[in-house]
Amino acid sequence: EDQVTQSPEALRLQEGESSSLNCSYTVSGLRGLFWYRQDPGKGPEFLFTLYSAGEEKEKERLKATLTKKESFLHITAPKPEDSATYLCAANDMRFGAGTRLTVKP
Amino acid sequence: ETGVTQTPRHLVMGMTNKKSLKCEQHLGHNAMYWYKQSAKKPLELMFVYSLEERVENNSVPSRFSPECPNSSHLFLHLHTLQPEDSALYLCASSQAPDGPFYNSPLHFGNGTRLTVT
Repeated sequence: EDQVTQSPEALRLQEGESSSLNCSYTVSGLRGLFWYRQDPGKGPEFLFTLYSAGEEKEKERLKATLTKKESFLHITAPKPEDSATYLCAANDMRFGAGTRLTVKP
Repeated sequence: ETGVTQTPRHLVMGMTNKKSLKCEQHLGHNAMYWYKQSAKKPLELMFVYSLEERVENNSVPSRFSPECPNSSHLFLHLHTLQPEDSALYLCASSQAPDGPFYNSPLHFGNGTRLTVT
């Protein structure tokens, strides 16, 4: 059965402390791996799409990478405004449960 | 107005009530989706309409009934709900040239927070 698993469930960082979020997937034929950001009280906001292993995409302090089994969202020198829940999704929009990121000043 | 708009933002209803959630997209997309988001659980796909094709998740109870009169509007009709149906209901749209779930990102509204008492 197709599955998407995100870890950790929650992550607390100090401002400037870089880290990575993981998204592991098992799907039959990946057509796209999506990352979204969700702020409290709002719907998810699209960040990146990755289509093939080895692909990387960047946006400000965020960089998403993809292998054949997992995707990472690397956060470099995070700021408090990066605090949010980060969701990944594969193919048929099968979502993981998300990682709740808190960045303390 | 741009993006995906959902109304109402909050809804409290009794188990015997009938209500409807509304979604409107101004992005020119041809696919629309209903998702259910419960605390600490993955988003759960409920229904999809794309290119006039309706795709259902068979695990959705019949007390939820979708309606898509055109490519810009989507409704979710609710009746005789249960307390466990309390959740955030999200509408999304995408441009799906070859049917739903094509590799196109979703654009979400801000949801309707539903509480069933």
